[in-house]
Amino acid sequence: QKEVEQDPGPLSVPEGAIVSLNCTYSNSAFQYFMWYRQYSRKGPELLMYTYSSGNKEDGRFTAQVDKSSKYISLFIRDSQPSDSATYLCAMSAYNQGGKLIFGQGTELSVKP
Amino acid sequence: DGGITQSPKYLFRKEGQNVTLSCEQNLNHDAMYWYRQDPGQGLRLIYYSQIVNDFQKGDIAEGYSVSREKKESFPLTVTSAQKNPTAFYLCASSRSAESSYNEQFFGPGTRLTVL
Repeated sequence: QKEVEQDPGPLSVPEGAIVSLNCTYSNSAFQYFMWYRQYSRKGPELLMYTYSSGNKEDGRFTAQVDKSSKYISLFIRDSQPSDSATYLCAMSAYNQGGKLIFGQGTELSVKP
Repeated sequence: DGGITQSPKYLFRKEGQNVTLSCEQNLNHDAMYWYRQDPGQGLRLIYYSQIVNDFQKGDIAEGYSVSREKKESFPLTVTSAQKNPTAFYLCASSRSAESSYNEQFFGPGTRLTVL
């Protein structure tokens, strides 16, 4: 079993839809949770970062962490065609040398 | 502009050849990382370096080698011992690997294809 599981999709939604992306994990030591966005043939860029449990909102994006269920989510409101990309969740534990464990990535397509 | 550069963007390798991928950063970051990305498998850590002249193996180091002679440079050599090297290779850096969390910044990647 992988430490981090993420549905690879692909996920296709119409413009304006609410998108929900999710990851589950098995390592209870994870404390730092990130979402990266990766456009085709590009390097990933950090979208959201959350420490421990709770919610974080940034514009149309909301990240949620439920450590009791070992489950994290990224919500995209009013999705746009420019949101079409692969979304990768990543996690790290305290004092692990900065090592990140990535999910498989979910490919999202937002249709006009 | 501050950032991470990788070269070349595309690389073709014949069977039995060693090839070296370049990664340079001008962010003054201490830590640097190499990942491999295959379809449907996310990013897997090959090697990482927390400081000059020191590096550690990641989860899939077999068939790869690295050096860290300068703070800004972290080249990756894909040796002939790597049985399935065709993949997208990503280099990243972060301010420090010693503190609890540091954002990793990624380069644009190198796509390696074995002919």
